[in-house]
Amino acid sequence: QQQVKQSPQSLIVQKGGISIINCAYENTAFDYFPWYQQFPGKGPALLIAIRPDVSEKKEGRFTISFNKSAKQFSLHIMDSQPGDSATYFCAAGAGNNRKLIWGLGTSLAVNP
Amino acid sequence: KAGVTQTPRYLIKTRGQQVTLSCSPISGHRSVSWYQQTPGQGLQFLFEYFSETQRNKGNFPGRFSGRQFSNSRSEMNVSTLELGDSALYLCASSLEGSNTEAFFGQGTRLTVV
Repeated sequence: QQQVKQSPQSLIVQKGGISIINCAYENTAFDYFPWYQQFPGKGPALLIAIRPDVSEKKEGRFTISFNKSAKQFSLHIMDSQPGDSATYFCAAGAGNNRKLIWGLGTSLAVNP
Repeated sequence: KAGVTQTPRYLIKTRGQQVTLSCSPISGHRSVSWYQQTPGQGLQFLFEYFSETQRNKGNFPGRFSGRQFSNSRSEMNVSTLELGDSALYLCASSLEGSNTEAFFGQGTRLTVV
């Protein structure tokens, strides 16, 4: 049972464009929504995270938008660069003592 | 400070054998989670240990087991290996659990032949 649905599975964007990855969840108890970035041969690394008390969080070129009523959150990468080419995972958590629920990942390729 | 260290990095085993993977978390982190990663399947959660106790468990058969020591180092064991167990096994440590940042190791690439 996939409790966090991530789309698209893969994405190709031109350099300078905007990359958008979406995630939808079911469990309203989730209160922590991180995005992780994974490069080939490396473990995932936290990119940015949001809690439901805010609707948007921005860190540099990366922005999380959060829609609590729709139970959706998305990652926007502005001015996408070839170095952003990686796999991106969204996740959702409901307290430290419960496991993090992961999306299946989005493979992003940014063409030069 | 040192990151999460997983050993070994690569492993080749034969069907039916067993294997033990090791994870040294970041100093001070009490939570260690293990994941199996295969192409197209994302990160499949195996289990989480917190202060030497298994706190969460994923939907894997009993052949997959783990433990955590008093210094927070963790091991996972897979017995009676099957070809389908070939995957990248990732360990992640965090201060308190899933609502705090998880730091991943580089993983152990297990190949079962």
